[in-house]
Amino acid sequence: KQEVTQIPAALSVPEGENLVLNCSFTDSAIYNLQWFRQDPGKGLTSLLLIQSSQREQTSGRLNASLDKSSGRSTLYIAASQPGDSATYLCAVDLGGGATNKLIFGTGTLLAVQP
Amino acid sequence: EAGVAQSPRYKIIEKRQSVAFWCNPISGHATLYWYQQILGQGPKLLIQFQNNGVVDDSQLPKDRFSAERLKGVDSTLKIQPAKLEDSAVYLCASSPRHQETQYFGPGTRLLVL
Repeated sequence: KQEVTQIPAALSVPEGENLVLNCSFTDSAIYNLQWFRQDPGKGLTSLLLIQSSQREQTSGRLNASLDKSSGRSTLYIAASQPGDSATYLCAVDLGGGATNKLIFGTGTLLAVQP
Repeated sequence: EAGVAQSPRYKIIEKRQSVAFWCNPISGHATLYWYQQILGQGPKLLIQFQNNGVVDDSQLPKDRFSAERLKGVDSTLKIQPAKLEDSAVYLCASSPRHQETQYFGPGTRLLVL
């Protein structure tokens, strides 16, 4: 059974700091891995999607890496801003036939202090 | 492009009552998903539709939950009767095809008393 773990559960940093969020999964047979952002009272917004054959993806100040063999992914946020404050969720897509079941971690609550 | 719409945004009911949630996906998206997110946890997939057919409902408590997607567009999720442990946010998402990026709606927050 695939399990996804995110560490730390919560993180508080001063504005301008670079930071890393961690995600680990137990079964390396994944189709892709995605990082989402969730703001209070709102749905999820997809940030980055890494295919299983890729090592990393970048979008602006965000960089996500994937190491399937070790079952790990990291989300790097450069020069953090107060607007980055949100819950960050990683999810693995098990793929397989007609379904793409996303298995989510419990998230990291990020607070960027001005 | 309009996003995924959900209603109602909030619902409070007593246990053993019934409740229904509605989702309108992004136009043209063939795949629709319902997730349950309990406080402090990540979302859990309840059911996945491809057009108007169910492709995965393995985690849907079928004794009390039901869902349908008529004409391959809008979808409704129903709970009857509700239990205290059903208190959660119910998220709807859609994607152009399966295994592509999923776009989420704002969710319906359900509180069962």
